[in-house]
Amino acid sequence: KNEVEQSPQNLTAQEGEFITINCSYSVGISALHWLQQHPGGGIVSLFMLSSGKKKHGRLIATINIQEKHSSLHITASHPRDSAVYICAVGKGGSRLTFGEGTQLTVNP
Amino acid sequence: NAGVTQTPKFQVLKTGQSMTLQCAQDMNHEYMSWYRQDPGMGLRLIHYSVGAGITDQGEVPNGYNVSRSTTEDFPLRLLSAAPSQTSVYFCASSITATGVSYNEQFFGPGTRLTVL
Repeated sequence: KNEVEQSPQNLTAQEGEFITINCSYSVGISALHWLQQHPGGGIVSLFMLSSGKKKHGRLIATINIQEKHSSLHITASHPRDSAVYICAVGKGGSRLTFGEGTQLTVNP
Repeated sequence: NAGVTQTPKFQVLKTGQSMTLQCAQDMNHEYMSWYRQDPGMGLRLIHYSVGAGITDQGEVPNGYNVSRSTTEDFPLRLLSAAPSQTSVYFCASSITATGVSYNEQFFGPGTRLTVL
């Protein structure tokens, strides 16, 4: 079993829908990252969380340390949100462990 | 700032050939790393560096060499390419080596490598 599990693997939504992507992990962590990989392949960092909740525009990330679970929400989804969303955890030290990613497609 | 740059963007090799993937960053970041991305798998760490002159192995280091002679550059060498090394390779950096968990990661655009 992977240390970091994301669900769903694939998600198709209509423009305007509220979207939730989940990340569960099986180890104690220092922090959790959400990343976005564009269709062209580039990867950008969206959030780093160690507790609670963060918001940036239409994106909201939450983490529950006790339940070892994080969610990424997208409100009022738009076709430009179509991308792969990747969860990664840091356990301290010099490494991150990555989930397989969730492919999101938002149709107009 | 150019951020993290990688060259080449695409490369095709024959089995047994060697090559170097280039990575450079202009943000004066201490920490640099190389990942490979394969279908159905998360990014996997190949090698990383916590500063000039210091490198260490990641999760999948076999068949790859690295060096870090300057803060800016972190090349990845394939010694004798194999079809199993067909993948997309990403270089990444972050500001400090301590507390990598807490630092924003900056990724290069990737190199798509095919080994025939």
